[in-house]
Amino acid sequence: QKEVEQNSGPLSVPEGAIASLNCTYSDRGSQSFFWYRQYSGKSPELIMFIYSNGDKEDGRFTAQLNKASQYVSLLIRDSQPSDSATYLCAVKLSRAGGTSYGKLTFGQGTILTVHP
Amino acid sequence: SQTIHQWPATLVQPVGSPLSLECTVEGTSNPNLYWYRQAAGRGLQLLFYSVGIGQISSEVPQNLSASRPQDRQFILSSKKLLLSDSGFYLCAWTPLPLGELFFGEGSRLTVL
Repeated sequence: QKEVEQNSGPLSVPEGAIASLNCTYSDRGSQSFFWYRQYSGKSPELIMFIYSNGDKEDGRFTAQLNKASQYVSLLIRDSQPSDSATYLCAVKLSRAGGTSYGKLTFGQGTILTVHP
Repeated sequence: SQTIHQWPATLVQPVGSPLSLECTVEGTSNPNLYWYRQAAGRGLQLLFYSVGIGQISSEVPQNLSASRPQDRQFILSSKKLLLSDSGFYLCAWTPLPLGELFFGEGSRLTVL
């Protein structure tokens, strides 16, 4: 089982729709969760982070965390063509007996296409 | 504000040639630094991380090495490149303690 898995894509949604991106993780002790957006040929940029159960909203983006189910998601409301990118889920895994040194483990990414 | 830069942005190297990628962070001191690699169509794989000058930890065995000669400088090297070393190399830093990473612009390496 992979440590961080994202729903397989690509995902295609019409402009104005809600895009839903999902991620599961294997380490129940994981502490922090991140969503990155990566445009083709560019480096990843941080969109949101979440570390408490529930929802966290920032503009058109909502991150949802359910630690009991080991599940984190990203909702993009009113999707725009400029949202077309690869979305990476990242998890700060716990490390038995010590610090994780801030290391993040990434999922393989989900390609999102928003068509006009 | 903090910024991170890496170079070169693009390079094409023959098999067996050496490699040196450099990364610098500005606006902070004693950052945790990381080198990730992203192969075509793949996720990010952590290669090395450093919590201080001269302190390097390797995550995967390979023919690459890393060094941190100064507080805000992180270098990725190889003595002899392999075809499998091709990829998009990303340097990153974190302000901690939450752990969010901020990436440099990336260096795209093609080994022929």
